[in-house]
Amino acid sequence: EDQVTQSPEALRLQEGESSSLNCSYTVSGLRGLFWYRQDPGKGPEFLFTLYSAGEEKEKERLKATLTKKESFLHITAPKPEDSATYLCAASPSGSARQLTFGSGTQLTVLP
Amino acid sequence: EPEVTQTPSHQVTQMGQEVILRCVPISNHLYFYWYRQILGQKVEFLVSFYNNEISEKSEIFDDQFSVERPDGSNFTLKIRSTKLEDSAMYFCASSSRGATNEKLFFGSGTQLSVL
Repeated sequence: EDQVTQSPEALRLQEGESSSLNCSYTVSGLRGLFWYRQDPGKGPEFLFTLYSAGEEKEKERLKATLTKKESFLHITAPKPEDSATYLCAASPSGSARQLTFGSGTQLTVLP
Repeated sequence: EPEVTQTPSHQVTQMGQEVILRCVPISNHLYFYWYRQILGQKVEFLVSFYNNEISEKSEIFDDQFSVERPDGSNFTLKIRSTKLEDSAMYFCASSSRGATNEKLFFGSGTQLSVL
């Protein structure tokens, strides 16, 4: 069974305190690994797609990396507006359309 | 920036009633999806829709559920004979291309409460 597990469940950081979120996946042939941001009362907002081990992508203070078993979302010098739930999702080879989501990491950045 | 629009934002219904959740996908998108998130649980795939037919569905999407694109702009999810366990946030999403790794644009969701 395809599975995506995220850790930690919750993370509190001081503004400027860098950290990483983890996403481990067990899927039958990974087509793509996605990171989304979700604010309270909103739908997930796309951040990155990673396709192969060793790939990295950056956007402002966020950098996503991928290995054969895990993905990391690194947050450098976060600001309070980075506070959100970060979701990881995998697209397995057995399915062309559906994403399997993790349960998310709720990030709080304190000023 | 174009966005996916969902109505209503909140829907309260009695157990056993039928509900229709509505979505207006981004106008040039061709692929449409429904996901749901039960409170405190993961976002779960329900169904994908392309070229006026279902392309994939999950085990959750049984005969109680149906989807339709009644015109060129709307995409609906109908839930017949609602149960308490159908209470969840329902998200509509759309994407523009057929590539399997195409990013999805999500709406803000409809919070369905079944009493």
